[in-house]
Amino acid sequence: ETGVTQSPTHLIKTRGQQVTLRCSSQSGHNTVSWYQQALGQGPQFIFQYYREEENGRGNFPPRFSGLQFPNYSSELNVNALELDDSALYLCASSSESNTEAFFGQGTRLTVV
Amino acid sequence: AQSVAQPEDQVNVAEGNPLTVKCTYSVSGNPYLFWYVQYPNRGLQFLLKYITGDNLVKGSYGFEAEFNKSQTSFHLKKPSALVSDSALYFCAVRPMNTGFQKLVFGTGTRLLVSP
Repeated sequence: ETGVTQSPTHLIKTRGQQVTLRCSSQSGHNTVSWYQQALGQGPQFIFQYYREEENGRGNFPPRFSGLQFPNYSSELNVNALELDDSALYLCASSSESNTEAFFGQGTRLTVV
Repeated sequence: AQSVAQPEDQVNVAEGNPLTVKCTYSVSGNPYLFWYVQYPNRGLQFLLKYITGDNLVKGSYGFEAEFNKSQTSFHLKKPSALVSDSALYFCAVRPMNTGFQKLVFGTGTRLLVSP
């Protein structure tokens, strides 16, 4: 198991609501990335935070936003939820000294 | 633009037989290449990576992968499959020498190892 933990593990929300997902990065890692994995698909990059600043973003609308805190933990916020936002959301942490990213177990979001 | 292709949705192999899961990639410049495995209702688990050097890289659980620059491929291999290897396997790529760690994943290949 990696040292990356995500909460909650499962979540059900209604269309139009807002949701916050949380990620605690592995000790010593200062970079956090978020991915969306729809059913039957590979993970898609949402954005990356490095030392509390967003430094890269994938093809996701602005209603997907995030934060990184001084302890390098992170939040993913999604506003105005749509049915297509239903997916597994994965957090990954890494540092300058390692090239691979380590993933948490994910949060399964269902929008109804 | 970067992309990864995993041409097989599913690979079936009998326990004890060798397995290969295929991956080809497209990236500007030299790539970092990765394989991850996903078990049901779990996150991604890192298996191995290619950074530079020897084209054959060894990883966790007896898996290895061969980097072929001319064919832009990075196929995952194991000499003798186990039933417990049954899972979803993802190949991923990102450009070398960037501080930006965005991974581009393939669509995944389901490996089924029969007893």
